[in-house]
Amino acid sequence: EVQLLESGGGLVQPGGSLRLSCAASGFTFSSYAMSWVRQAPGKGLEWVSTISASADSTYYADSVKGRFTISRDNSKNTLYLQMNSLGAEDTAVYYCAKDLSEIVARGYFDHWGQGTLVTVSS
Amino acid sequence: DIQMTQSPSSVSGSVGDRVTITCRASQGISSWLAWYQQKPGKAPKLLIYGAFSLQSGVPSRFSGSGSGTDFTLTISSLQPEDFATYYCQQTNSFPPPLTFGGGTKVEIK
Repeated sequence: EVQLLESGGGLVQPGGSLRLSCAASGFTFSSYAMSWVRQAPGKGLEWVSTISASADSTYYADSVKGRFTISRDNSKNTLYLQMNSLGAEDTAVYYCAKDLSEIVARGYFDHWGQGTLVTVSS
Repeated sequence: DIQMTQSPSSVSGSVGDRVTITCRASQGISSWLAWYQQKPGKAPKLLIYGAFSLQSGVPSRFSGSGSGTDFTLTISSLQPEDFATYYCQQTNSFPPPLTFGGGTKVEIK
């Protein structure tokens, strides 16, 4: 059974940093692209970032480019999101999500974690 | 970026009703479209990908159609567990950016 378990969320002051983790199990982690998707309170879904299976390619939404860094450790089956220079607009539940397709990603997310809440406030 | 517009923003129905949700892309995306269902406090669930392919384990009362710019998600006979918010997502521009529609809330009449 595929499982994705996020951690690392919490309350952070504006301008602060936070690192999210997503522990994966139940599938060959190193064969799938992984992504982060967020959802502000009461709002819709927003794609944040994607990393290829081998970690040789990364992609970011314009809203986080230059502030967030996605990475993965395939030996630990773990996905990360380093978030710097956080602002109130980054307050959201952050989900990690697995791509449906092995090796050649297509951006369809067939498994999601339960989400971790990041609150940016003074 | 490709913009995705869903309509209506909310729809009410009774158990057994047929419900249709539409999603329009700001430019052609072929069939690179997915539909997700999200219940309050839960993660989204993939229902349809490639515009019409049913994800494994999803009931056959869900169906998707369309190509180019106009797409629909149809629930043929609404069940109590189907009351949720539904999102479309385009993946034509993959590698990213990927974009979601604003969501359609299906409520009990």
